[in-house]
Amino acid sequence: DAGVIQSPRHEVTEMGQEVTLRCKPISGHNSLFWYRQTMMRGLELLIYFNNNVPIDDSGMPEDRFSAKMPNASFSTLKIQPSEPRDSAVYFCASTPLGRLSTFGSGTRLTVV
Amino acid sequence: GQQLNQSPQSMFIQEGEDVSMNCTSSSIFNTWLWYKQDPGEGPVLLIALYKAGELTSNGRLTAQFGITRKDSFLNISASIPSDVGIYFCAGHPLRYNTDKLIFGTGTRLQVFP
Repeated sequence: DAGVIQSPRHEVTEMGQEVTLRCKPISGHNSLFWYRQTMMRGLELLIYFNNNVPIDDSGMPEDRFSAKMPNASFSTLKIQPSEPRDSAVYFCASTPLGRLSTFGSGTRLTVV
Repeated sequence: GQQLNQSPQSMFIQEGEDVSMNCTSSSIFNTWLWYKQDPGEGPVLLIALYKAGELTSNGRLTAQFGITRKDSFLNISASIPSDVGIYFCAGHPLRYNTDKLIFGTGTRLQVFP
């Protein structure tokens, strides 16, 4: 089992550019979560999916952020246009039914 | 968004010492979890607690689910250098009734040889 796979590990982009973060959950896990981690705000849940359907997106900061899960093995988090305050580490986590989350290694995003 | 109050924020201890950290909330939680995060990695689950009063150990780690369901603590005995990292409490609030997980603010642990 390769665990939750996130790509890229690091992303540096210019303000205004579109950024796409990718996540491959563990096979068989039916829930997927996107988190953002910053020094100021800690770990925040942005959105989560259950069986590929978005259940709670109340943590998505604004319309510049969007997330999709087209199938059980892939999810994306997109920021368009990106801003310096979006700089953070973004984690994806997946969970089997009724069990506990496994986190990916994260994507460190820097917007300059 | 809601966060759990975790203390202390940071700890600097000598190898071999015991460590204690705790987490409190103003609302009731269904589960309490403790994670450890190493630099450049995602959080890794250490201990999960499911019932009020539950006391669970995992090697040198011991955690308890508070009787009021609004708090939890984690103890690490006989610390070693590899215990260095950030420890997070997390939980599923009763009022959400979903898989939504709320995280504490973290305790940064530094162990000196």
